[in-house]
Amino acid sequence: DGGITQSPKYLFRKEGQNVTLSCEQNLNHDAMYWYRQDPGQGLRLIYYSQIVNDFQKGDIAEGYSVSREKKESFPLTVTSAQKNPTAFYLCASSMEQRPLHHNYGYTFGSGTRLTVV
Amino acid sequence: AQSVTQLDSHVSVSEGTPVLLRCNYSSSYSPSLFWYVQHPNKGLQLLLKYTSAATLVKGINGFEAEFKKSETSFHLTKPSAHMSDAAEYFCVVISEGGLSNTGKLIFGQGTTLQVKP
Repeated sequence: DGGITQSPKYLFRKEGQNVTLSCEQNLNHDAMYWYRQDPGQGLRLIYYSQIVNDFQKGDIAEGYSVSREKKESFPLTVTSAQKNPTAFYLCASSMEQRPLHHNYGYTFGSGTRLTVV
Repeated sequence: AQSVTQLDSHVSVSEGTPVLLRCNYSSSYSPSLFWYVQHPNKGLQLLLKYTSAATLVKGINGFEAEFKKSETSFHLTKPSAHMSDAAEYFCVVISEGGLSNTGKLIFGQGTTLQVKP
């Protein structure tokens, strides 16, 4: 079955460490996204990529980095510069780059819960 | 700029009674609106979407929402709550208007639905 796989489900990080969250999709979607979820704040966009080898900052990109070397993969690195990384991270993908088609087909992964210890 | 406001952070209903989750949006364009549901530590599942077709949208699990342009609202309803409906619900609008904003989801703050037996 097609879908998005995020791993690991739970991740613990010591202060000062970089960690990388994996996101893989086999839906042949062009666009991929990373969101951060905190209680009472909904989801906030960290980074997104509409095409391989290209990505843009979202609303809260500071302290994060991404790469998009393959269409299927969009890993997120939480760096030591991110002062409050404890959160639930969701990856998503969609098949349309432009809004005019109104057929986004967003699919979400099951998330990674990151905790700083 | 597009935005959504979910008017209640927490809603509690009894099983078998109606559900109303309120959402107001702000958009310069004809918006694309969505409702997503999230069960604890899970990803997001699409309940329904409005993309300028019928104003009354029917979704999965008996949910529906009505797009009211005059009130800039997109409230989610269900005639009879079930225990399995207990979850967090997000109202979402698509960011539109320019290449740098294409296809990004903008989330409301979320409404936690509690269903009492």
